[in-house]
Amino acid sequence: DAGVTQSPTHLIKTRGQHVTLRCSPISGHKSVSWYQQVLGQGPQFIFQYYEKEERGRGNFPDRFSARQFPNYSSELNVNALLLGDSALYLCASSGRTSGRKYTDTQYFGPGTRLTVL
Amino acid sequence: GDSVTQMEGPVTLSEEAFLTINCTYTATGYPSLFWYVQYPGEGLQLLLKATKADDKGSNKGFEATYRKETTSFHLEKGSVQVSDSAVYFCALRGNFGNEKLTFGTGTRLTIIP
Repeated sequence: DAGVTQSPTHLIKTRGQHVTLRCSPISGHKSVSWYQQVLGQGPQFIFQYYEKEERGRGNFPDRFSARQFPNYSSELNVNALLLGDSALYLCASSGRTSGRKYTDTQYFGPGTRLTVL
Repeated sequence: GDSVTQMEGPVTLSEEAFLTINCTYTATGYPSLFWYVQYPGEGLQLLLKATKADDKGSNKGFEATYRKETTSFHLEKGSVQVSDSAVYFCALRGNFGNEKLTFGTGTRLTIIP
């Protein structure tokens, strides 16, 4: 099975701009979560979506938003970018795959490296 | 709230040495516990997990036991290899109806031949 995919791989923006990051979960997974990993730190939870509904939200400002589409892919949007938003953004998926037992273990994509100048 | 405290690094060992990376947690209820590994330039990979007290997770020679009495989930390996060089993250998932993972700050491990 293909793993979690994310696009783009790298992105450079300037302060005040807006960015959209994309994630495709493992086929059959219905849950997608987003994390921010600042250099030298552990990932911080931003959002979880399940069946297109928000199931959890971390301690991030309203500049951060997300949505999940009918095919379970997801977008993370960040408005009015700040220098401090520079980070690796990770997407993770979990759920049932065809013929397999449900798993809530999260599988991570390679991430999108966002640099804000 | 939930939190994870990891042994600070970096850690440098010689090949075939014994490895221990300490991890303790604070959480209400009965969290699930995880170790993830991040190789240079890559995303996170699940290394092992344990979902209830006294469970032992194991994979690729690594082991960790869920100790509720000491709120710990220390990672061990009997004989490390150069290929084990990576950053290791301890994480927990609470029981709040979502799949939020709370991570420690990570421990960078370097194995010298």
